[in-house]
Amino acid sequence: QSVLTQPPSASGPPGQRVTISCSGGRSNIGTNDVNWYQQLPGTAPKLVLYNTNQRPSGVPDRLSGSKSGTSASLAIGGLQPEDEADYYCASWDDTLKGVIFGGGTKLTVL
Amino acid sequence: HVRLQESGPRLLKPSDTLSLTCTVSGGSIISLNWWGWVRQTPGAGLEWIGEAFYGGDSAYNPSLNSRVSISMDKLYNRLSLSLVSVTAADTALYYCARGATHAGTTRVVGAFDIWGQGRMVVVSS
Repeated sequence: QSVLTQPPSASGPPGQRVTISCSGGRSNIGTNDVNWYQQLPGTAPKLVLYNTNQRPSGVPDRLSGSKSGTSASLAIGGLQPEDEADYYCASWDDTLKGVIFGGGTKLTVL
Repeated sequence: HVRLQESGPRLLKPSDTLSLTCTVSGGSIISLNWWGWVRQTPGAGLEWIGEAFYGGDSAYNPSLNSRVSISMDKLYNRLSLSLVSVTAADTALYYCARGATHAGTTRVVGAFDIWGQGRMVVVSS
């Protein structure tokens, strides 16, 4: 069981906005930034957000991130078929003294 | 473009030592980046193994700390992972990855911006 909790699935039709949550605690999200990864089937994870809301070069601004207290969110606006993937959150945990990942959310574009 | 390529044995027996190498091309491991390893299993998802900075610090997953080490070789521009006393629970897809930086200078903890394709390692008797 992951220290960071994500819903196992999320979905939406093309063009809609979808939000994926990541719930943690004071020792991780409550204190540190959150990073988000997108993983397409059969490929390595791809960093899509870092430091909670920063986009690496090449990531569209349809993706955005936020954090409040001990929870973080990844929002994908204008959903497209190519957004269908697994999404993982990650953060440093001060108590465990290591990087922890969420269990992942499978996003389906209807 | 920086590329990472993992290599090493695919099948191990319990109590063996897992040794994987990640060759870096298109860039140098002697940089402001940290370099690390992440593994993935269907059941446990993604798990951070650890990371290191050339000539400097390293950090390991406390749950693996006593069994794991990461080394870096500037001559061959590669990093290596060693995990001793493996069990079936160490069966996973192992990725090497480059630690991300913000504005090219500041380490972003827990963020890996370039990944290898992964190396599946099975531990079985």
